[in-house]
Amino acid sequence: NAGVTQTPKFQVLKTGQSMTLQCAQDMNHEYMSWYRQDPGMGLRLIHYSVGAGITDQGEVPNGYNVSRSTTEDFPLRLLSAAPSQTSVYFCASTPTGRNYEQYFGPGTRLTVT
Amino acid sequence: AQSVTQPDIHITVSEGASLELRCNYSYGATPYLFWYVQSPGQGLQLLLKYFSGDTLVQGIKGFEAEFKRSQSSFNLRKPSVHWSDAAEYFCAVAPFGNEKLTFGTGTRLTIIP
Repeated sequence: NAGVTQTPKFQVLKTGQSMTLQCAQDMNHEYMSWYRQDPGMGLRLIHYSVGAGITDQGEVPNGYNVSRSTTEDFPLRLLSAAPSQTSVYFCASTPTGRNYEQYFGPGTRLTVT
Repeated sequence: AQSVTQPDIHITVSEGASLELRCNYSYGATPYLFWYVQSPGQGLQLLLKYFSGDTLVQGIKGFEAEFKRSQSSFNLRKPSVHWSDAAEYFCAVAPFGNEKLTFGTGTRLTIIP
């Protein structure tokens, strides 16, 4: 298994540009989530999904959209990037029946200028 | 809403010395508690978790944590640290029946020879 994969590893955007951060897992996990990590603030939940077709907002959802058309993929979209979205983004998935044991991807470092 | 406090931003320990990282939580009932580790440039990895039962839990890499209800604490310990333990450590809490984790702000551990 490749586990949780994220692309790209690094990205620089200009203010107002849009982009999609990709997240995929090959472990057949139902629960997936997106976090952002900022210095001194730990990880904050952006959006999560409990299964294909079902998504919900986390702590800091503004400026981000998600969809879950398949079990494997959970992309995060930035519609109009802002400097405040400069961060490291982590995707995670959780095995069915083993709640809370989240498996994290390697992260995407995003800079918005 | 639940919250997690990690009072130590940065700790430096000599190799071979013992380690204790502090974590305090705020929640109305006993939550589910976790410790994650993040090596430089990597995603987070689950070290150990507490759901119920024995208040001393063992994790991977020789780590253990003790849940103390009276102090609302879940401190992480290791008897003898190795240089490879240098990383950032996050405490996290989740309410019963809810996968939504709340993370602390992290403690960065430096190991000196």
